[in-house]
Amino acid sequence: DIQMTQSPSSLSASVGDRVTITCRASQGIRNDLGWYQQKPGKAPKRLIYAASSLQSGVPSRFSGSGSGTEFTLTISSLQPEDFATYYCLQHNGYPLTFGGGTKVEIK
Amino acid sequence: QITLKESGPTLVKPTQTLTLTCTFSGFSLSTSGVGVGWIRQPPGKALEWLALIYWDDDKRYSPSLKSRLTITKDTSKNQVVLTMTNMDPVDTATYYCAHRLIWIGYFDSWGQGTLVTVSS
Repeated sequence: DIQMTQSPSSLSASVGDRVTITCRASQGIRNDLGWYQQKPGKAPKRLIYAASSLQSGVPSRFSGSGSGTEFTLTISSLQPEDFATYYCLQHNGYPLTFGGGTKVEIK
Repeated sequence: QITLKESGPTLVKPTQTLTLTCTFSGFSLSTSGVGVGWIRQPPGKALEWLALIYWDDDKRYSPSLKSRLTITKDTSKNQVVLTMTNMDPVDTATYYCAHRLIWIGYFDSWGQGTLVTVSS
C-alpha cells in the first residue's frame, strides 16, 4: 500500500496568512494526487487534481505543486471561508489512500 | 450536473450486514472511463477508501476490508450498491459515494454522505 503522510495535522493561522500543507507518499506516485477541503458535517469538496490543476470554480489563492513523493497545497492569502480540514488523495495505485488530514484553525 | 445520494439504514446491530445504495444522476455508468466509489469517515477521523466499480464492471476493494465488501451496479437504475458484512461498532462512520473519471483520477463529485451507527 502507498502511505500518504500529511503534515501538519493542524495549524493555527490568521486571515491573510500564507498556508502550506504537505503530503508525502511512501513511493513515487507521479502526479496522481488530488486535494480536498472538508467543512464540518459536509462532504469533501474538490480543489486540485493531477497535483497542480485547479478545479474549475476554485479560487486562485489555492495552488498545488509537486511530483513523485512530495506534494504541497498552498493557500496564498487565507480567507475566513478557508478554515476547514484538508485532505490529499493518491490514486496512482490500489488501494487508493488519503492523507490523515490537516485542520486549519483560526489563530 | 452530477449528483449522488446515499441511502440505507442509519442503525445496524453488530454482526449484521449493511446495504447502502448510491443513486446518481448526470452521468451513466455505462460510459467508458466512469466509476463510482465508496469512502467512509468515522466521527472525527480521516477519510478511508472502500471500493470502486467501473463502467466495464471492473471492481476494486480495500484489501483490509475485501472479505467483507461487495460492490455492484445497476446501470438501468443509475445505482451502485455496497454491502458490508459482519458489522462492528468500529464501522460506525459517515459513508460517501463519489464519481470518478479514470483519466482524471480523483473523486470529483461526492454525495452528501449517510451516517451509519453500529450498536446493539
